[in-house]
Amino acid sequence: GNSVTQMEGPVTLSEEAFLTINCTYTATGYPSLFWYVQYPGEGLQLLLKATKADDKGSNKGFEATYRKETTSFHLEKGSVQVSDSAVYFCALSGGSNDYKLSFGAGTTVTVRA
Amino acid sequence: NAGVTQTPKFQVLKTGQSMTLQCAQDMNHEYMSWYRQDPGMGLRLIHYSVGAGITDQGEVPNGYNVSRSTTEDFPLRLLSAAPSQTSVYFCASSYSETNYGYTFGSGTRLTVV
Repeated sequence: GNSVTQMEGPVTLSEEAFLTINCTYTATGYPSLFWYVQYPGEGLQLLLKATKADDKGSNKGFEATYRKETTSFHLEKGSVQVSDSAVYFCALSGGSNDYKLSFGAGTTVTVRA
Repeated sequence: NAGVTQTPKFQVLKTGQSMTLQCAQDMNHEYMSWYRQDPGMGLRLIHYSVGAGITDQGEVPNGYNVSRSTTEDFPLRLLSAAPSQTSVYFCASSYSETNYGYTFGSGTRLTVV
């Protein structure tokens, strides 16, 4: 079945620092890949997605590229703000006729002023 | 506002009690899912549905029942609550099985004592 492994946290950064959260996946076929963000006390929000190899998803200054050769979908942001403090989840669906959404364990990011 | 509505937001149950977590969406989404979120474990799928009258089990279905009599509603029933079911529960819906991502509700925090 499908699975997602993402970088363990917590991650603590200073404002304007560069953020990378690693995510790798296991799936056969061509799954769709997602990053979700969860702000304190809230539900998850879709941050960005990519549905085929070499696609780049982007939103709110975050980017991630679907790399089939390395089965990765790393999240990056060039200059983080305090408001980016949240839990970030990598997820996938599809591939192997398995359309259910599978999540990584989540990475807690704290940005300090 | 359009979206996924979950009720209640908080609930405390005694061991052995039963209850129903409500979930409703007004986006005419066919796909709906229930997840539980526990520290360090990401989100785990409990049950899901691909349309009215169709449900199936996810990763951790034991102790939970669902039904889908309408497109809009997808309630989750706890049959006999146990302390191990203390968690945050999220309902989510999607237009597509793989490519569009899911919209999440704001969650129900359940404590079983």
